[in-house]
Amino acid sequence: AQKITQTQPGMFVQEKEAVTLDCTYDTSDPSYGLFWYKQPSSGEMIFLIYQGSYDQQNATEGRYSLNFQKARKSANLVISASQLGDSAMYFCAMRDNTGNQFYFGTGTSLTVIP
Amino acid sequence: ETGVTQTPRHLVMGMTNKKSLKCEQHLGHNAMYWYKQSAKKPLELMFVYSLEERVENNSVPSRFSPECPNSSHLFLHLHTLQPEDSALYLCASSQDMVASGGTYNEQFFGPGTRLTVL
Repeated sequence: AQKITQTQPGMFVQEKEAVTLDCTYDTSDPSYGLFWYKQPSSGEMIFLIYQGSYDQQNATEGRYSLNFQKARKSANLVISASQLGDSAMYFCAMRDNTGNQFYFGTGTSLTVIP
Repeated sequence: ETGVTQTPRHLVMGMTNKKSLKCEQHLGHNAMYWYKQSAKKPLELMFVYSLEERVENNSVPSRFSPECPNSSHLFLHLHTLQPEDSALYLCASSQDMVASGGTYNEQFFGPGTRLTVL
């Protein structure tokens, strides 16, 4: 069964607007970690933000915030004030409680329009 | 050199060739990973090493053989590959394997090796 689901293959956003990228996950473990990564066309995956399953508050890192809804098993990424350099693939990922396994979604391609 | 480096960046090989992918991390991390990224598919975790010991092997065919001689280097030896093995192979490292002490233990990725099997 797919552990991470990203239902938006492609998204467009106007420069300076905010955009939400969706991610739902599937696990029965009480302890897990959720990550978002950005992959520009150069190929390198860049870590953006992390949310632990026991964290009470939503994670924020600069223009990135994670809308964590534990009961719904969703961990959507919100990018505020989009910039042209934000155009890239975005991947949601989950680390299981052992730390041995990482599951990635199929990604969302974000295009920022000037 | 900083971060995670991978060589070569591009590799074309025939099905009968033997080649190796190299990954080096300059971050002092204890865990290293190999991933396969194919078009339209999620990243697939192939191998996990922690303190130079393999801790995970996700049902990867034996034509892929990892080697971790020390905590800074990770190799992926390739032999008798198939065309469906063509993909981007990403190496990553993290401080440890499980988050502790306020750290996320996020993975730092290299730029990948684009492999084409003819």
